[in-house]
Amino acid sequence: QKEVEQNSGPLSVPEGAIASLNCTYSDRGSQSFFWYRQYSGKSPELIMSIYSNGDKEDGRFTAQLNKASQYVSLLIRDSQPSDSATYLCAVRNSGGYQKVTFGTGTKLQVIP
Amino acid sequence: NAGVTQTPKFQVLKTGQSMTLQCAQDMNHNSMYWYRQDPGMGLRLIYYSASEGTTDKGEVPNGYNVSRLNKREFSLRLESAAPSQTSVYFCASSSSGTGAQPQHFGDGTRLSIL
Repeated sequence: QKEVEQNSGPLSVPEGAIASLNCTYSDRGSQSFFWYRQYSGKSPELIMSIYSNGDKEDGRFTAQLNKASQYVSLLIRDSQPSDSATYLCAVRNSGGYQKVTFGTGTKLQVIP
Repeated sequence: NAGVTQTPKFQVLKTGQSMTLQCAQDMNHNSMYWYRQDPGMGLRLIYYSASEGTTDKGEVPNGYNVSRLNKREFSLRLESAAPSQTSVYFCASSSSGTGAQPQHFGDGTRLSIL
């Protein structure tokens, strides 16, 4: 079982719709969770961090964390073509140093 | 506002050649990391440095060495390049070795080994 799992996609949504990206993780002691956006040929860019159960909203983005079920999700409201990218889920493990494990990413395509 | 700077951006090597990838950050971060990214494999940690003066192996350290030259700089060396090391290499930094701070990435080095 991979430590951090994401559906590779592509996930296609029409412009203006809600895109829902999901991620599951195996380390039950994980403390910190991050979503990165990566455009083709570019470096990962942090878009959301979440540390406690529940929802965290930032503009059109909402991160949701459920530690009991070991999943974290990212919702993108009013999706725009500029949101088309690969979204990486990253999880800080429960080890003593700041090791972060990345999922392989979900490719999102927003269709105009 | 440079953030994390990597050099070079592109490099082509022949099998057996050596080279050093450079990374510098200007955010006063304690921790620095080297990742490689391959299609379908995601980001894999090669080496990390939790603080100045310390380095540790990550998930895929074989064939690589690192040097934490000072707080700002963290270099990755390939002593004898192999085609399997063809990849995109990212350097990242974060503000704490034990905190919950996210990592900030450089623009990457695209390395091809022929």
